[in-house]
Amino acid sequence: GAVVSQHPSRVICKSGTSVKIECRSLDFQATTMFWYRQFPKQSLMLMATSNEGSKATYEQGVEKDKFLINHASLTLSTLTVTSAHPEDSSFYICSAGSGAFSYNEQFFGPGTRLTVL
Amino acid sequence: AQKITQTQPGMFVQEKEAVTLDCTYDTSDPSYGLFWYKQPSSGEMIFLIYQGSYDQQNATEGRYSLNFQKARKSANLVISASQLGDSAMYFCAMRGDYKLSFGAGTTVTVRA
Repeated sequence: GAVVSQHPSRVICKSGTSVKIECRSLDFQATTMFWYRQFPKQSLMLMATSNEGSKATYEQGVEKDKFLINHASLTLSTLTVTSAHPEDSSFYICSAGSGAFSYNEQFFGPGTRLTVL
Repeated sequence: AQKITQTQPGMFVQEKEAVTLDCTYDTSDPSYGLFWYKQPSSGEMIFLIYQGSYDQQNATEGRYSLNFQKARKSANLVISASQLGDSAMYFCAMRGDYKLSFGAGTTVTVRA
């Protein structure tokens, strides 16, 4: 299967700082990438969908100025949590799809655990 | 709007026995797909099995089988011959509206 990587796997930062998380498709071109957030023992909640070269589409209730998403190439998407606060501490997972029906099959990254002190 | 419901927060199963995880869904879209994922404590999402809404037969992948009952809008996962490594959280998901929607998940603990 296709491989998706995320970096970093864990990050601890101070409140007020910004954190960037990278999501890379290693062996295929991802036309669409998805960003999810997961709190402990809870389900994955879709934050936004990004298509290469265009602006991300955010889900209702997700602040686009807070969670900046860039999908500049077919193999890389980044999520920047700006001015992070303790309530932003969570597990962030990206997934990537290729082809016209990117939602048909998504390949997930291993996730990034963010802790904001 | 789509909705996925998993009503079992946690389950215990004895090693080598089978376990069924419930999943019901609701959608008005005639074309949809149903997925099951496994999430161990490491956090990675592992794809297990897929069922398309027009598939005539129930999907099977090794020890995993999906009991698809379209009229009842259910897509239960059956894990046969449970192993200790099956202990994890399991999510049912539905593809629709160009995205995946996930259920709340079921934690499975396999006992030796």
